[in-house]
Amino acid sequence: DTGVSQNPRHKITKRGQNVTFRCDPISEHNRLYWYRQTLGQGPEFLTYFQNEAQLEKSRLLSDRFSAERPKGSFSTLEIQRTEQGDSAMYLCASSFALSTDTQYFGPGTRLTVL
Amino acid sequence: GENVEQHPSTLSVQEGDSAVIKCTYSDSASNYFPWYKQELGKGPQLIIDIRSNVGEKKDQRIAVTLNKTAKHFSLHITETQPEDSAVYFCAARNNAGNMLTFGGGTRLMVKP
Repeated sequence: DTGVSQNPRHKITKRGQNVTFRCDPISEHNRLYWYRQTLGQGPEFLTYFQNEAQLEKSRLLSDRFSAERPKGSFSTLEIQRTEQGDSAMYLCASSFALSTDTQYFGPGTRLTVL
Repeated sequence: GENVEQHPSTLSVQEGDSAVIKCTYSDSASNYFPWYKQELGKGPQLIIDIRSNVGEKKDQRIAVTLNKTAKHFSLHITETQPEDSAVYFCAARNNAGNMLTFGGGTRLMVKP
C-alpha cells in the first residue's frame, strides 16, 4: 500500500498526559498537512510542511501542539498536557507541489482524552 | 479567511435516483475545489476536483459544476448505489495558502 499511513489509529489517554502521532506521507510527496476533525464536522487545517519547513500554522494550533518533519519525510504531531477538548480525529494528508498538488488523506488517528 | 457552506446536511435517496450537494464559498480568490467521500472510521477520499478555469467536470457517475460569479459549486451523483452511502465534503483552496477549507459535510443515504 503506497497511501498515507498514520499511527497509532486509536489513542486513549488521561487528561494532562502527552501524546505523539506519526504520519508517513506518500513517497516523494513534498508537502504534508495536519487537520483535526471533530464529530459531525469537516476537517480543520492545523499546519503544513513543505519538505522539512513548517510554512503555515492555524490559530487552532495552540502552544500545547507542536509538529515536526525533521527529514522532510515522516511527520510527528505532539500534544502536551492533553485536555478533553483535544478529543478528535487527527488527519494527515500529503501532496506533490510540482504536480496537481492534490491532497491525499490518511486514515487518521482518533484521540480520546478521558 | 475562507468560509465554505454546504447543503443539505443529510440527503436520503432511493437507489438509482440522482443526488445533488451544493456548496458556497466566500473568498473570490479560491481557485481549486475538491470533493471528498468519507466512510465511517476512514479518512476522506478524493472523488473529484475542479479548478476555476473549468465550469464542469465529469467522471463516470460523478460530475461537479462551478459558478465562479455566484461563488458556488455542486456535486452531482447519478444512478446512485448503496455503496455511495457516506459523508461527502466539499472544500476550497486559493493560491495564497495551501490549506483546504471544508464544508460541514453531507450524509448521503442510498436506500436499496
